[in-house]
Amino acid sequence: ETGVTQTPRHLVMGMTNKKSLKCEQHLGHNAMYWYKQSAKKPLELMFVYNFKEQTENNSVPSRFSPECPNSSHLFLHLHTLQPEDSALYLCASSPSPGTEQFFGPGTRLTVL
Amino acid sequence: AQRVTQPEKLLSVFKGAPVELKCNYSYSGSPELFWYVQYSRQRLQLLLRHISRESIKGFTADLNKGETSFHLKKPFAQEEDSAMYYCALSGEASGTYKYIFGTGTRLKVLA
Repeated sequence: ETGVTQTPRHLVMGMTNKKSLKCEQHLGHNAMYWYKQSAKKPLELMFVYNFKEQTENNSVPSRFSPECPNSSHLFLHLHTLQPEDSALYLCASSPSPGTEQFFGPGTRLTVL
Repeated sequence: AQRVTQPEKLLSVFKGAPVELKCNYSYSGSPELFWYVQYSRQRLQLLLRHISRESIKGFTADLNKGETSFHLKKPFAQEEDSAMYYCALSGEASGTYKYIFGTGTRLKVLA
């Protein structure tokens, strides 16, 4: 599959579980992003990586931990989440920060 | 405060009627403005960006710095334009980038 892919597409987890979301881009981009999309709220930028270095962390709780091993892969590690963390988590990439973003299909997360 | 405002949650128009989706922004620097679109069961994708000054699928958007607006317009709506539209801005400040999305406007084009 070309473009930006995300796995899993759906995830249900308990508050004590540890899980990870994966994002992969095949576009040769240097910047990658995690967004949270909740009902009735705008898209919220969580993390920005540029050339594997984190350049932005929008006051995200520490129960969300990003990892960017290379410019093609991005992970979001989840632990001890709360029910209010249930949302659609979108990954995106762009040639460089500030340019147009290409989005993945998202992971629908439900925290019980 | 830095924000993007889309005042309409839902906009319904008849096929062939003109469309204008409103977007106002507040940002201290010189941002870049975008419109993204999400069709049913598809992922979010870029529609156009202000620096391109191009027309995509018949849509245009002009950046008005005086009014801090970036409204999306199309003279004649088509049924396939029905989708969710998001206005967004990006800007750099102190070496970090800000990306701010509006809450979105759902456009319904009626036959």
